[in-house]
Amino acid sequence: GAGVSQSPRYKVAKRGQDVALRCDPISGHVSLFWYQQALGQGPEFLTYFQNEAQLDKSGLPSDRFFAERPEGSVSTLKIQRTQQEDSAVYLCASKASGGTDTQYFGPGTRLTVL
Amino acid sequence: DAKTTQPPSMDCAEGRAANLPCNHSTISGNEYVYWYRQIHSQGPQYIIHGLKNNETNEMASLIITEDRKSSTLILPHATLRDTAVYYCIVRVGSSNTGKLIFGQGTTLQVKP
Repeated sequence: GAGVSQSPRYKVAKRGQDVALRCDPISGHVSLFWYQQALGQGPEFLTYFQNEAQLDKSGLPSDRFFAERPEGSVSTLKIQRTQQEDSAVYLCASKASGGTDTQYFGPGTRLTVL
Repeated sequence: DAKTTQPPSMDCAEGRAANLPCNHSTISGNEYVYWYRQIHSQGPQYIIHGLKNNETNEMASLIITEDRKSSTLILPHATLRDTAVYYCIVRVGSSNTGKLIFGQGTTLQVKP
């Protein structure tokens, strides 16, 4: 079956522009996570959704970062007034309900802010 | 979630077993050990997890010491496609958030 998909795969933005990154989780997966991965580093947690509810946004680095999942399926991570330090790979992961803790990751969106 | 320590890099000859160590000396009784790997330009991929018993699946084996302060991921017959960054993560199995806390991982280079 289809895995987690993300679009676009690559995004180049000028400093100050707004960007929107999309995540399509595995169908039926209740939980959805966003991570940020800087070059040469491990992924860092940004935010977590259970269905449409955003239960944890403790990892969002500033109020320029906003995520939503209005219908409990597709999610969008929006970054306003992008800065060069926002350049990173943004990873989305989804997880089924129940006891399993296995997260399935998408390929990521590489954002470059010039 | 408990912190983990892994060597930054390791080499392995193709066809040989790759043994990747992880120290987690502050692990709590209800925390699981998870392993993920990340091949270049891809998202992380789940490999295996365990609580205290050794585990084996089609990808790898996980050996956890009796005191649970360390573990070893074993790839029995490494191939070139196993070249990746391997992350050892310790976390509560059913925590509300479920977020993963990645460290720096071990870069495994499988050589022909």
